[in-house]
Amino acid sequence: KQEVTQIPAALSVPEGENLVLNCSFTDSAIYNLQWFRQDPGKGLTSLLLIQSSQREQTSGRLNASLDKSSGRSTLYIAASQPGDSATYLCAVMRGANNLFFGTGTRLTVIP
Amino acid sequence: EAGVAQSPRYKIIEKRQSVAFWCNPISGHATLYWYQQILGQGPKLLIQFQNNGVVDDSQLPKDRFSAERLKGVDSTLKIQPAKLEDSAVYLCASSPVAANLAKNIQYFGAGTRLSVL
Repeated sequence: KQEVTQIPAALSVPEGENLVLNCSFTDSAIYNLQWFRQDPGKGLTSLLLIQSSQREQTSGRLNASLDKSSGRSTLYIAASQPGDSATYLCAVMRGANNLFFGTGTRLTVIP
Repeated sequence: EAGVAQSPRYKIIEKRQSVAFWCNPISGHATLYWYQQILGQGPKLLIQFQNNGVVDDSQLPKDRFSAERLKGVDSTLKIQPAKLEDSAVYLCASSPVAANLAKNIQYFGAGTRLSVL
């Protein structure tokens, strides 16, 4: 059974800091790993998708890495801004489009 | 492009009552998903449709939950009767049919927040 764990559960940083969010998964037989952002009262927004054959993806100030062999992924956010405050969820995709989500990291960027 | 639409946004009911949620996916998306997100947890897949057929409903509590996708477009999720532990946000998502599953992205609606008292 696939289990996805995210550490830390919550994180507060001052504006401008670089930060890393961690995700680990137990079963390496995945199609891809995705990072989502969830704002209060809103749905999930896909940030980055890393296919199982890839090692990393970048979008603006975000960089996500994937190490399938160790079952780990990291999301790096450079020069954090108050607008980055949200809950970040990682999810791994197995067969038939099934996404297994972690419990999320709640990020607060303090102005 | 319009996103995934869900209604209502909020619903408060008493236990043992019934409730229904509605979802309209992005136009042209063949696959539709319903997720349950309990406070402090990640979303959990309840049911997945491909057009109007069920692909996966292994985690749907079928004694009280039901879902349908008429004509392969809109979908409704029903709970009857509701229990206290059903309090959660119910998220609908849709995705196109992808030639490469590894590249497939799901697009989520804002969700319906259900409180069962």
